[in-house]
Amino acid sequence: EPEVTQTPSHQVTQMGQEVILRCVPISNHLYFYWYRQILGQKVEFLVSFYNNEISEKSEIFDDQFSVERPDGSNFTLKIRSTKLEDSAMYFCASIEGSGQETQYFGPGTRLLVL
Amino acid sequence: GENVEQHPSTLSVQEGDSAVIKCTYSDSASNYFPWYKQELGKRPQLIIDIRSNVGEKKDQRIAVTLNKTAKHFSLHITETQPEDSAVYFCAASSGGGSNYKLTFGKGTLLTVNP
Repeated sequence: EPEVTQTPSHQVTQMGQEVILRCVPISNHLYFYWYRQILGQKVEFLVSFYNNEISEKSEIFDDQFSVERPDGSNFTLKIRSTKLEDSAMYFCASIEGSGQETQYFGPGTRLLVL
Repeated sequence: GENVEQHPSTLSVQEGDSAVIKCTYSDSASNYFPWYKQELGKRPQLIIDIRSNVGEKKDQRIAVTLNKTAKHFSLHITETQPEDSAVYFCAASSGGGSNYKLTFGKGTLLTVNP
């Protein structure tokens, strides 16, 4: 069964550094998402992406965040200047669309900002 | 925006007992309600979902009920087993158009004691 994949599984970075989290959604899916989960807390929506543009973003998704689908397979989340509070698990998810709403999550990238 | 409340935050049951987790939502436009199971350090996995045109859905030991008027939905697990121990998240979506973002509850840590 196809799965959403994410790399890296873990990333440690210094405050102020840029990080890029990578995701490969399921190949025939059309809607893409990033969520984050701070340790012990609920999953929070960051951004949705459809038809090569952002369709919605949350208050968390400020100017330090950006998303890109540079080719037909990858979907990336960039944090330009990381802060301590960006430490979290970041999940990518995708949906097929066309009436199919089931959202499939990737395994996550655990980001630790020191 | 949508707000999802989930109770209880922790639930401990004996193997073989039933477990019930309840969620309420605020946005009457929400029409899709999935439940995810998350084991420690793993991705959220969809276990069951329900759409607003259905009042109840069952899949073996798992069932979900939806009361649109009261804006609440519940997860029922019967004949619980130790491998059911995990964090369970409810979510809501007013999906359609270009966005199917999920708003999650805070999660319920279910412990099934052998």
